[in-house]
Amino acid sequence: EDKVVQSPLSLVVHEGDTVTLNCSYEVTNFRSLLWYKQEKKAPTFLFMLTSSGIEKKSGRLSSILDKKELFSILNITATQTGDSAVYLCAVRHGGSQGNLIFGKGTKLSVKP
Amino acid sequence: KAGVTQTPRYLIKTRGQQVTLSCSPISGHRSVSWYQQTPGQGLQFLFEYFSETQRNKGNFPGRFSGRQFSNSRSEMNVSTLELGDSALYLCASSLASPGSYNEQFFGPGTRLTVL
Repeated sequence: EDKVVQSPLSLVVHEGDTVTLNCSYEVTNFRSLLWYKQEKKAPTFLFMLTSSGIEKKSGRLSSILDKKELFSILNITATQTGDSAVYLCAVRHGGSQGNLIFGKGTKLSVKP
Repeated sequence: KAGVTQTPRYLIKTRGQQVTLSCSPISGHRSVSWYQQTPGQGLQFLFEYFSETQRNKGNFPGRFSGRQFSNSRSEMNVSTLELGDSALYLCASSLASPGSYNEQFFGPGTRLTVL
């Protein structure tokens, strides 16, 4: 059965800390891996990864994919209270644009 | 450019009723996908439409159906509502350009409560 597993499920850190969120997957016909940030509303797109070893970076966030070991990490440096959210990992598989399998998410709380 | 819009934002229904949710994708996006989000199951894929055709369907009963119109707007219908259908229903759109896999952008969701 296809599955995406995120860890940890929740994390509490203080402002300025660096955090690493994990996502491992087992899917058939892997196409890409996507990270989203969800606060109280709709998930907002962060990164899409298709190739191993190529880091994607946006400000204090970065992510990398390892297709051999079937996992990805999302790093957030110098965390701020505004980073508090649920971070979702999703894997696209098969020949379709829309068939994403989501992990349960990591709830990140950043304390001032 | 306007984002994905969904209507209504909130809905309260009773068991046995049916409901129709609407989604307008980002202009130029041709693929629309629907997801159900619940605290217990997380985000689960319902179905995907492209050019008015359903391309993929998740593991949901036949009470869940959808369609897409020629302007790429999509509707989702749930018949004979059950308490367990209470959830946030999210729509996502994608450019779906041929030969590539594009990012999906989500709408704000419709919060459905079944009493």
